[in-house]
Amino acid sequence: DGGITQSPKYLFRKEGQNVTLSCEQNLNHDAMYWYRQDPGQGLRLIYYSQIVNDFQKGDIAEGYSVSREKKESFPLTVTSAQKNPTAFYLCASTNRAQGGELFFGEGSRLTVL
Amino acid sequence: AQKVTQAQTEISVVEKEDVTLDCVYETRDTTYYLFWYKQPPSGELVFLIRRNSFDEQNEISGRYSWNFQKSTSSFNFTITASQVVDSAVYFCALPSSGSARQLTFGSGTQLTVLP
Repeated sequence: DGGITQSPKYLFRKEGQNVTLSCEQNLNHDAMYWYRQDPGQGLRLIYYSQIVNDFQKGDIAEGYSVSREKKESFPLTVTSAQKNPTAFYLCASTNRAQGGELFFGEGSRLTVL
Repeated sequence: AQKVTQAQTEISVVEKEDVTLDCVYETRDTTYYLFWYKQPPSGELVFLIRRNSFDEQNEISGRYSWNFQKSTSSFNFTITASQVVDSAVYFCALPSSGSARQLTFGSGTQLTVLP
């Protein structure tokens, strides 16, 4: 089945450690996105990528990094510079046609101890 | 900049009641799309509807209906005869200007349908 796979679903890390969240899609979508969700705050855009080897900062990129070496993969690294990394992270993708809806993965819940 | 406001943080209804979720948006674009997504407890966002700003006709899909009013910049969502399975967080969203088309989301409305 086509879709977006995020892993791991749950992740616990100690403060000061970098962690990488995986996002893979087999929908042949050009554009991919990472959102962060905190309780009561909706979704905020971290990074996005419209094509391979290119990505742009979103609204809250500080403390995060991404890469887009393959069309189907868009991993997110939460670095130790991110001051409050505990959150729910959602990956999404879409074709680039105007108005294309986003398809989301099931999310990764990161807890920093 | 795009902005989406969902003023209702939480709503509780009893099963079989109708419920309307409000969405007000701000955009400078003359043409745009609007979206509603559902987020059940599992966490994944599920696409419900996309509406083009050219089309102000109300849309109905089963128990769901949407009322788009460009004059008031609102895109409200009504669930008729609500069911327990409708319990979820519902988000309204608007794409950004430009080519990237990333979505700007409202803060969401937590709907709880009680049996």
